[in-house]
Amino acid sequence: GAGVSQSPSNKVTEKGKDVELRCDPISGHTALYWYRQSLGQGLEFLIYFQGNSAPDKSGLPSDRFSAERTGGSVSTLTIQRTQQEDSAVYLCASSLGSPGDNSPLHFGNGTRLTVT
Amino acid sequence: EDQVTQSPEALRLQEGESSSLNCSYTVSGLRGLFWYRQDPGKGPEFLFTLYSAGEEKEKERLKATLTKKESFLHITAPKPEDSATYLCAVRSNYQLIWGAGTKLIIKP
Repeated sequence: GAGVSQSPSNKVTEKGKDVELRCDPISGHTALYWYRQSLGQGLEFLIYFQGNSAPDKSGLPSDRFSAERTGGSVSTLTIQRTQQEDSAVYLCASSLGSPGDNSPLHFGNGTRLTVT
Repeated sequence: EDQVTQSPEALRLQEGESSSLNCSYTVSGLRGLFWYRQDPGKGPEFLFTLYSAGEEKEKERLKATLTKKESFLHITAPKPEDSATYLCAVRSNYQLIWGAGTKLIIKP
C-alpha cells in the first residue's frame, strides 16, 4: 500500500519568506508526527497529532512554526519568516496507534529545506 | 535528563566482517527501545522494538539485544546492501528520544 508521502521533496527559499510543508499519512493512521533532522544530530521532535488535535506542541522551536491537521489525515507544517537556521530535513511519520502503545512509526522521505 | 548516545559515529567493514553498534541510554523509566535503518535521502525504516533487559530480536543478519543501560545491534556477515545509518530511540513517557545514528559502510 501507499506509504507516507511528503511534498515538496526539496524546497529552496529566501530568508524571510514563508514555507508550507505537506504530509499525507498512511490511511487509517491516527497519530502523526513532525520531526526535524539536521546533519550529525538526532531527530528533533516538533509536534504530534492524535486525530486533528495536537496534544504536544512542545517541540516547536519558536512561534514562527505552526502545524495543522485536517480530516484526521493531511498535515501542513508552516514556517513563517524563515531563517537560515531553519535549514534541515523535515520528516513526517504516522502510526496506527497512540505513542503509548509503541506502534512503529512509518516515515516519509522528508522535505529538504534550504534557506538562502 | 533523558539521553541517547550511539557509537561509533561511523563504521567501515569489509563484506562478511561481523561487528556491533552500540546505543547507550539514560532515561527515567524505559518504555521501549527502538532500532531504525535510514538510507540516504529516505526516511527511517522500523527494525525492532525491545522492552526489557535480556530481550533479543533477530531479522536476517541483524540481532538487537538490550541491557539496563545499553542496546547492541549485532550484524553478522554483512553485505553491501546493509550499508545505511542505524538509528536508536528510546521512549520515556510518550516521547521518543533519538540518538544521532551510526553510519555503517560495508565494502565489497
